[in-house]
Amino acid sequence: LAKTTQPISMDSYEGQEVNITCSHNNIATNDYITWYQQFPSQGPRFIIQGYKTKVTNEVASLFIPADRKSSTLSLPRVSLSDTAVYYCLVGAYNVAFSGGYNKLIFGAGTRLAVHP
Amino acid sequence: DTAVSQTPKYLVTQMGNDKSIKCEQNLGHDTMYWYKQDSKKFLKIMFSYNNKELIINETVPNRFSPKSPDKAHLNLHINSLELGDSAVYFCASSPTEGGGANVLTFGAGSRLTVL
Repeated sequence: LAKTTQPISMDSYEGQEVNITCSHNNIATNDYITWYQQFPSQGPRFIIQGYKTKVTNEVASLFIPADRKSSTLSLPRVSLSDTAVYYCLVGAYNVAFSGGYNKLIFGAGTRLAVHP
Repeated sequence: DTAVSQTPKYLVTQMGNDKSIKCEQNLGHDTMYWYKQDSKKFLKIMFSYNNKELIINETVPNRFSPKSPDKAHLNLHINSLELGDSAVYFCASSPTEGGGANVLTFGAGSRLTVL
């Protein structure tokens, strides 16, 4: 199973762009990269997922280099409400490839604090 | 209409008691999970069920027994509660096929406090 490594914490200010990088050196060919956001007293919430190059949605962008050994979550113009823990995970696109199940491992995550 | 609902949201009980947490999802997903988040905020997978069949059991003590009466429900029963069981327990669900297998929808969590 691919292990992920992310910074423990980051600080930013309102209106700035925040980039959180995750390392996953042992990512497998059929693994996708998925990011979640967790606010205090809530369950994690899916943000974005990608396989390679760049993915963008209404919340964030995900940049994945050609070797896929890392990925960067980019949050444009953060606000105070973006203060949360962000988790990077890797897992099989199709559980059939992983023996019939997908054991998503959450690391420690990155605690993002956005200041006024 | 809540996608993944857990009950109760809070549970305070004494050591040695038995308690259950219920989970229901209305997303039509085939796979359901239980995760435990401790005081240090690490999220650890405990169990996963696919179409009522146990597919992941992560070295969880036998005091924890999941039960899935149908693919929309996954309950967690805990016997002989210990202090170390105090945590937030999250239920989640996901599709089985395609990239959606990585997209889990979590419930709001059930905070268990053992005194």
